[in-house]
Amino acid sequence: AQSVTQLDSHVSVSEGTPVLLRCNYSSSYSPSLFWYVQHPNKGLQLLLKYTSAATLVKGINGFEAEFKKSETSFHLTKPSAHMSDAAEYFCVVRVNTGGFKTIFGAGTRLFVKA
Amino acid sequence: DTEVTQTPKHLVMGMTNKKSLKCEQHMGHRAMYWYKQKAKKPPELMFVYSYEKLSINESVPSRFSPECPNSSLLNLHLHALQPEDSALYLCASSQNRDAEYGYTFGSGTRLTVV
Repeated sequence: AQSVTQLDSHVSVSEGTPVLLRCNYSSSYSPSLFWYVQHPNKGLQLLLKYTSAATLVKGINGFEAEFKKSETSFHLTKPSAHMSDAAEYFCVVRVNTGGFKTIFGAGTRLFVKA
Repeated sequence: DTEVTQTPKHLVMGMTNKKSLKCEQHMGHRAMYWYKQKAKKPPELMFVYSYEKLSINESVPSRFSPECPNSSLLNLHLHALQPEDSALYLCASSQNRDAEYGYTFGSGTRLTVV
């Protein structure tokens, strides 16, 4: 079965410290993977995507993610958190099940402390 | 223009009202989507339009009626809604239905049914 699991519902970091948001996926085929960010009462914004090119993907706002097939993971990182990074983050997998389907993770709320 | 514009931003309606949500994009995308998002949950797919034709209806109740007048516009007509239909309604678009490059989301319409 195709699925995506965000391992933490909440993550809290201090401003200026590294961010790690964890995502694991299950797919019978080579998936495409995405991270989206959603600030309160806003729509979702695409941070970055993996589509079978380079396994280390750089996105906007200093975020990056590494696709690790052996670990079926696509964790999102940022070296130094900023207050404006506080938001909900969704890991999303796109799979081909005889037609493409997009599956959202449950989301991880990132809190950034001053 | 790299935006998806949704109107209105907020809507309060009674259970006997008829209202419409509107979505517009000018990126030349040929697939458009309606998602429903409840608080602290990921978006749930409602409808997919591909080349202005309804492609997917995720068993949405008939009190929600989508319409795609042209390649840039997507409407969601609402009638006889229930309080549990209160949510953030998100419109999204992608280059095509395969969505290999991800989605562009609007900021959403916050709907409250009273």
